[in-house]
Amino acid sequence: AQSVTQLGSHVSVSEGALVLLRCNYSSSVPPYLFWYVQYPNQGLQLLLKYTSAATLVKGINGFEAEFKKSETSFHLTKPSAHMSDAAEYFCAVSVTGTASKLTFGTGTRLQVTL
Amino acid sequence: DGGITQSPKYLFRKEGQNVTLSCEQNLNHDAMYWYRQDPGQGLRLIYYSQIVNDFQKGDIAEGYSVSREKKESFPLTVTSAQKNPTAFYLCASSMASYTGELFFGEGSRLTVL
Repeated sequence: AQSVTQLGSHVSVSEGALVLLRCNYSSSVPPYLFWYVQYPNQGLQLLLKYTSAATLVKGINGFEAEFKKSETSFHLTKPSAHMSDAAEYFCAVSVTGTASKLTFGTGTRLQVTL
Repeated sequence: DGGITQSPKYLFRKEGQNVTLSCEQNLNHDAMYWYRQDPGQGLRLIYYSQIVNDFQKGDIAEGYSVSREKKESFPLTVTSAQKNPTAFYLCASSMASYTGELFFGEGSRLTVL
């Protein structure tokens, strides 16, 4: 079985501050892990993915995530928040490598304030 | 530009009526998916299709039906049997050889009055 938990349904940061969105997974085998972003009333867009290569994964828009097996975590970070980063972020896990077996977290809404 | 087109963007229906949501892609992807999104619940898989004329139930298929007669098209019908159909519906596609990346449409918001 696989599952993913996103800690914090809402996160608020000031523009220019560090963004940290937390994701912990549960998996009996090495997982594939993903972060997606959703802007209001739109579909999701892939930010980055971990597929057992480098543990530090760089994505689009300056985001990155680090796979930590010992902590079963895949937290998303960005050094300096921008107003345009305000969106909802979803962590997802798949242990089989098939998109039909993706399990999504419940999402974290990021608010960026001036 | 390649992408996924969902229509309509907003839809209202009365209880007891069936409604069909359209999803068309020109990415030449073999696999297509329908997800339902409710506030605070993330995305849940309704149906998916990996090849034309074949589709599989996802986690919440009850009250929904699909067809896959063409590679480009994967319409979803929300039937009157779906007890709580008001939601945001997302269509996605991916290459058959799994990359982990889903490409999403902009969604259809269904409201049952």
